Amino acid sequence: AQKITQTQPGMFVQEKEAVTLDCTYDTSDPSYGLFWYKQPSSGEMIFLIYQGSYDQQNATEGRYSLNFQKARKSANLVISASQLGDSAMYFCAMREPLSGGYQKVTFGIGTKLQVIP
Amino acid sequence: DAMVIQNPRYQVTQFGKPVTLSCSQTLNHNVMYWYQQKSSQAPKLLFHYYDKDFNNEADTPDNFQSRRPNTSFCFLDIRSPGLGDAAMYLCATSRDDRARPEAFFGQGTRLTVV
Repeated sequence: AQKITQTQPGMFVQEKEAVTLDCTYDTSDPSYGLFWYKQPSSGEMIFLIYQGSYDQQNATEGRYSLNFQKARKSANLVISASQLGDSAMYFCAMREPLSGGYQKVTFGIGTKLQVIP
Repeated sequence: DAMVIQNPRYQVTQFGKPVTLSCSQTLNHNVMYWYQQKSSQAPKLLFHYYDKDFNNEADTPDNFQSRRPNTSFCFLDIRSPGLGDAAMYLCATSRDDRARPEAFFGQGTRLTVV
């Protein structure tokens, strides 16, 4: 079963506008974490923001904020004031604990964001 | 300064010829991961180390092996690469720390099989 679902293969946004990238997840464990990563064409995965399942407030990091709706199992990324350099693939990922104290990070299929001047 | 370094950035290997990709880290993280990412797909976890404990994903082919001789280094060995193994290989590290659980990635090695 798919753990992380990103339903927007591609998105366009005008420069300086805000954009929301959708992510839903599925887990039965009460302790988990959600991440967003940015992958430019160079290939490197860049960490953007993290939300723990027990965190009361939505995470924010500069222009990035995570709209965490636990009951709906969604963790959408909001990018405010889009810049041309924001054009990239964006991946939602989930960390789940495994037996023995290990953890596993699973990625969604990604959303390609293009910022238009 | 790069904290997770993968070498080489680009690797071309012949069909069936063993190849090794390397990853080193300066973060002293206890967890290291290898992901395979094919074009337009999500990164797929191959295996990970929790300290010296090796964890293999159930669907990782036997053709893929890994070694972690110490905390800083991790290697991905592909014993007999096939055309279907052409992909970007991403190494990542993380700490077992709930306050800072994010994984840090290297720049990846793009493997071409000819």
